[in-house]
Amino acid sequence: GNSVTQMEGPVTLSEEAFLTINCTYTATGYPSLFWYVQYPGEGLQLLLKATKADDKGSNKGFEATYRKETTSFHLEKGSVQVSDSAVYFCALDTKGGTSYGKLTFGQGTILTVHP
Amino acid sequence: GAGVSQSPSNKVTEKGKDVELRCDPISGHTALYWYRQSLGQGLEFLIYFQGNSAPDKSGLPSDRFSAERTGGSVSTLTIQRTQQEDSAVYLCASSRGTGGRETQYFGPGTRLLVL
Repeated sequence: GNSVTQMEGPVTLSEEAFLTINCTYTATGYPSLFWYVQYPGEGLQLLLKATKADDKGSNKGFEATYRKETTSFHLEKGSVQVSDSAVYFCALDTKGGTSYGKLTFGQGTILTVHP
Repeated sequence: GAGVSQSPSNKVTEKGKDVELRCDPISGHTALYWYRQSLGQGLEFLIYFQGNSAPDKSGLPSDRFSAERTGGSVSTLTIQRTQQEDSAVYLCASSRGTGGRETQYFGPGTRLLVL
């Protein structure tokens, strides 16, 4: 079946540090890949997505590239801010049959950024 | 604009009682999803609606769980004879259609505590 494996957390960084959160997946077919973010006290919101191999999703300074050859979708940001402190979830959708659009999530990575 | 809304935001109930959780999707969104977020299991898919029908109920953990959607809009998730392991945050999401190109927008969730 489909699965997503994320880098274990929590991750603690100083402001302006470089961020990488690793994500690898197992899926049949060609899923779309997503990063969702959950800020403290808020709901889950889409951060970025990529729908086919070699696509790069980007938003708010975050980037992730869909790597089919390594089945990865690592999240990166060149200079994190305190306001980036949140829980980050990698996810893929399931295409085909009756499960079209259903999301499979990784376990989440807690990021804390200190001033 | 109005996002996905869920009610109640918090629910405390006694073991063995029934509970109903409500989701109001974004107007015009035909696809609706229920997920559950718990400490032990992370984010899990429960059920998916396209219009009023549920082609995929594969994530419902037991026959105590059921859901319906009426008028292609509001959905209700019902848990009968609640157990302590049902304690979790129940998330609803909606999208314009299905597939990886359609972003799922999440509601704030209902936090359920079964005593």
